[in-house]
Amino acid sequence: GAGVSQSPRYKVAKRGQDVALRCDPISGHVSLFWYQQALGQGPEFLTYFQNEAQLDKSGLPSDRFFAERPEGSVSTLKIQRTQKEDSAVYLCASSLAKRTSGRAYEQYFGPGTRLTVT
Amino acid sequence: RKEVEQDPGPFNVPEGATVAFNCTYSNSASQSFFWYRQDCRKEPKLLMSVYSSGNEDGRFTAQLNRASQYISLLIRDSKLSDSATYLCVVKGYNNAGNMLTFGGGTRLMVKP
Repeated sequence: GAGVSQSPRYKVAKRGQDVALRCDPISGHVSLFWYQQALGQGPEFLTYFQNEAQLDKSGLPSDRFFAERPEGSVSTLKIQRTQKEDSAVYLCASSLAKRTSGRAYEQYFGPGTRLTVT
Repeated sequence: RKEVEQDPGPFNVPEGATVAFNCTYSNSASQSFFWYRQDCRKEPKLLMSVYSSGNEDGRFTAQLNRASQYISLLIRDSKLSDSATYLCVVKGYNNAGNMLTFGGGTRLMVKP
């Protein structure tokens, strides 16, 4: 079946531009996560949705970062006024898990969007 | 100090060798533990979960020591295809309940 898809796969933005990154999770997956992975580092948590509700945005590095999932399926991560330090791979993951389930459902990752800010 | 710490490597080993990676985590409330594999310019993929009693999956053995907050991964009879970055991952139960915390990864290169 189809996995998690992300678009665009690559994005080059000039400093100060706004960008929007899209994530299509696996159909039926309740939970959706965004992670940021800098070169040579492990992914770092940005934000989490359960259906359309954004339950945790503690990892967003600044108020320039905004994420939404209005219908509980596709999600968009928006970065306003991009800075060079925003250059990274942005990974989206989805899982079946619900907050109350207590089970460690596997998170399936998309291929990521590689953002380069020049 | 990072929540999950790993030796970045690289570990360069010949085919057929046994190699072990270690990882420490700082949050004693962490509930679940995993090893993920990430190939160059690809997304992370779950390799195996780590259970308190230790568990094995083919050539891979994972162990957890909760008292020392330490996780290990052992790879026996290394193959060229094992070359990748291995990410140690812990899952806690914060307000969201499901976020993963990744280590920086340990790079393995298996040579002929």
